[in-house]
Amino acid sequence: AQTVTQSQPEMSVQEAETVTLSCTYDTSESDYYLFWYKQPPSRQMILVIRQEAYKQQNATENRFSVNFQKAAKSFSLKISDSQLGDAAMYFCAYSYSGTYKYIFGTGTRLKVLA
Amino acid sequence: DARVTQTPRHKVTEMGQEVTMRCQPILGHNTVFWYRQTMMQGLELLAYFRNRAPLDDSGMPKDRFSAEMPDATLATLKIQPSEPRDSAVYFCASGLALPPLGRKSYEQYFGPGTRLTVT
Repeated sequence: AQTVTQSQPEMSVQEAETVTLSCTYDTSESDYYLFWYKQPPSRQMILVIRQEAYKQQNATENRFSVNFQKAAKSFSLKISDSQLGDAAMYFCAYSYSGTYKYIFGTGTRLKVLA
Repeated sequence: DARVTQTPRHKVTEMGQEVTMRCQPILGHNTVFWYRQTMMQGLELLAYFRNRAPLDDSGMPKDRFSAEMPDATLATLKIQPSEPRDSAVYFCASGLALPPLGRKSYEQYFGPGTRLTVT
């Protein structure tokens, strides 16, 4: 069975610094997708970035980038130049081909210190 | 700006009452998901539909929960009778399961959620 693990319940970062959130997953599938979602206090789930397993190049979206290590089944999120508005819960999610169902990690709460 | 809408945003009810939550997926999306979020269990998939047909509702307590899609623009989640342990935030999400040729897209777009409190 597929699983997603976020081993850091909480992380802190100084404003303008860089932080990396960890995510590992377990799967026997070859065609799958990985996502990071942000959930601020408003509760809205916001898609931050996605990675297709068949792509070797790491995805980037402005200040957000991932380090996708397929063999190690690792998918970490790097936030550069952290801003106060980045404070939120971050969820890693896995979706496998054909079903579109997500499996979520337990989340990492990110605090940004001024 | 297309988005998933959910009503109501908040619901407080007494144990034993029926609760109905509604979701309007993004126009053109053909897959709809219902999730429940609690502190203890995190995000759990309750059910999902493709082209209005239920594909998987194994995460849903069958005796009291039901999910339907009366039409392509409306999904409903009902709890009858409600219990205090049903208190949670319920999210609806939609996606496009048959992306255009040459592009794969598995994103789910979430609504703002319904915060349910059962006393």
